Amino acid sequence: GDSVTQMEGPVTLSEEAFLTINCTYTATGYPSLFWYVQYPGEGLQLLLKATKADDKGSNKGFEATYRKETTSFHLEKGSVQVSDSAVYFCALSNNAGNMLTFGGGTRLMVKP
Amino acid sequence: GAVVSQHPSRVICKSGTSVKIECRSLDFQATTMFWYRQFPKQSLMLMATSNEGSKATYEQGVEKDKFLINHASLTLSTLTVTSAHPEDSSFYICSARDSGRRRQTDTQYFGPGTRLTVL
Repeated sequence: GDSVTQMEGPVTLSEEAFLTINCTYTATGYPSLFWYVQYPGEGLQLLLKATKADDKGSNKGFEATYRKETTSFHLEKGSVQVSDSAVYFCALSNNAGNMLTFGGGTRLMVKP
Repeated sequence: GAVVSQHPSRVICKSGTSVKIECRSLDFQATTMFWYRQFPKQSLMLMATSNEGSKATYEQGVEKDKFLINHASLTLSTLTVTSAHPEDSSFYICSARDSGRRRQTDTQYFGPGTRLTVL
């Protein structure tokens, strides 16, 4: 079946540092890929998405490129802020019912 | 746009009682909604897929008689935790897929979650 693997956290960075959160997936066909962000005590918010190979999703300074050759969708940001502290989930959708398969989540902590 | 609400946001109940959680799509129609459960510091586990006008599809290991799902309209799905016990304490999150033609249908929009504590 489909699966998503994320790097384990927590990831602790200083403000303005460069962020990479690795995400790889296993799926048949051509899934859509997503990054969701969850702030403390809240539900999930869609951060960005990509629906086909080589697509780059971007939002709020975050980027991720759909790499079919390496089955990856790594999340990057050039300069993190304290307000980016949250849990980040990589996910894929690969069926007509659009069920999401989530990775385990990566907690990011940004210190001033 | 694409807002999903949940009510209540937080509920505390006694063991043995039933609790109903509502999930509403506020500005779009959703023939399909999803219910997830999230334990502290863990990922989301899909419990069931709620289909408007038909029975919900439950994931393996989820008791359908324990977690009753009703999707009576295109904007509302409810999850009822029956005879709740302390082990049912968790964060329950719903999501909805926009059925409208204008939106991209592979995107799910999530509610803010409901924290259930069973004493």
